[in-house]
This record gives sequence, C-alpha cells and structure tokens, in this order.
Amino acid sequence: GENVEQHPSTLSVQEGDSAVIKCTYSDSASNYFPWYKQELGKRPQLIIDIRSNVGEKKDQRIAVTLNKTAKHFSLHITETQPEDSAVYFCASKDDKIIFGKGTRLHILP
Amino acid sequence: EPEVTQTPSHQVTQMGQEVILRCVPISNHLYFYWYRQILGQKVEFLVSFYNNEISEKSEIFDDQFSVERPDGSNFTLKIRSTKLEDSAMYFCASRILADTGELFFGEGSRLTVL
Repeated sequence: GENVEQHPSTLSVQEGDSAVIKCTYSDSASNYFPWYKQELGKRPQLIIDIRSNVGEKKDQRIAVTLNKTAKHFSLHITETQPEDSAVYFCASKDDKIIFGKGTRLHILP
Repeated sequence: EPEVTQTPSHQVTQMGQEVILRCVPISNHLYFYWYRQILGQKVEFLVSFYNNEISEKSEIFDDQFSVERPDGSNFTLKIRSTKLEDSAMYFCASRILADTGELFFGEGSRLTVL
C-alpha cells in the first residue's frame, strides 16, 4: 500500500541554524505533497505544500523541494526560531492524505 | 475564518460502549475525513467521505467503525463497541478539492477508553 517514510524522527538545531527534514513516498501517482506542523496538544496545520509540476517552493523561511524521479521531498527551515519547535509531518497521496511518522524539531537556545 | 469544529473535545467511556464523535466541516467543502492519532504517534488515515458515501477507508476502519452525514452539516464517526486501543485523538478534516486542496483539521476529540 501507500507509504511515506520520514526522517529524522527527532532533530535538534541551534537557534538561527537551518533544519532539513526528508521524506520519501511510494506511490508514483502522487501529485500533492503538503507539510504540516503540529504543536503540542494542537491540531496539524498546513505550513507549505508543493504540487508535482514544480520542483521547489518557498515561503519566507520555509521551503520545500521535490524530486519526483527519486520520489522524495524535503522541508527546509532557515534561521530557525524557538517557535519553530514542534512536530512536523510530511504527507502525500492526493485523494487521501497519508502522513509520515513525524519529526520532532527542537530549537536550542 | 471558517473552521472545522468537533464535539466533544474529550470523552471518557467504558470498554464495550458505543461512542459518537461529531464534526461540522467547513460549509463549502465537499470531502470529509477522519484521522486518528494515538498519543505521541503519527496521524493515521481512517476514512474519506464524498457525495454521501465512503470513498476510501484504511485497515483500521473495520466493522466497529461507521461514518454518517445525517444532515447537511454534521459528519459523525461512530465506534460501536470501544476497545482500550481505541483511545486516541480523533481528528475530523475537510477540503474543497479531492486532490490538491488544503486539508483543514478540527481541534480533535480525545477519546479515553477505560
């Protein structure tokens, strides 16, 4: 069945440094790749998404890159801030969103 | 800003009891979903619903689960005979489009089965 692999499971970076989270997917028919941020006790919220007709998308400090040939996509957060600390989930599949296992990001002071 | 609303926010029930979780999707959305998140784990797809019928369901969504859209606004998830392992946060979500539209989540209903 469909599968989304995400790594690392935890990531600690110094405030101001960059963080990169990577995901691979199995269904080559997938065309939509969102990233969700979930703060403790809260609902997942979309932070950025990319469609298969582009290779990169950027929104201020957040960017996502997509390699359809290799079936992987990555989230890049630059100039990290304390409020970036959360669990980040990648997802794929179009009609039903399948989530990766999540990456717990810690921003160290 | 319109949002998905869910009730109750927290329900405690005895094993074997029936539970109904309620959701009101965003009014102009056409596709509805239930997801489950066991504490500390990933968000797991349960079921998707469109045009008054299930469009897809996961292996988790067995005969103990059912969904219904009883009127034009509510979307419910029923668990017929709860088990301890059903304890989780249940998120309802909706979107306008099936394939590339943003998925909007409700705040979740925490189910605790004793």
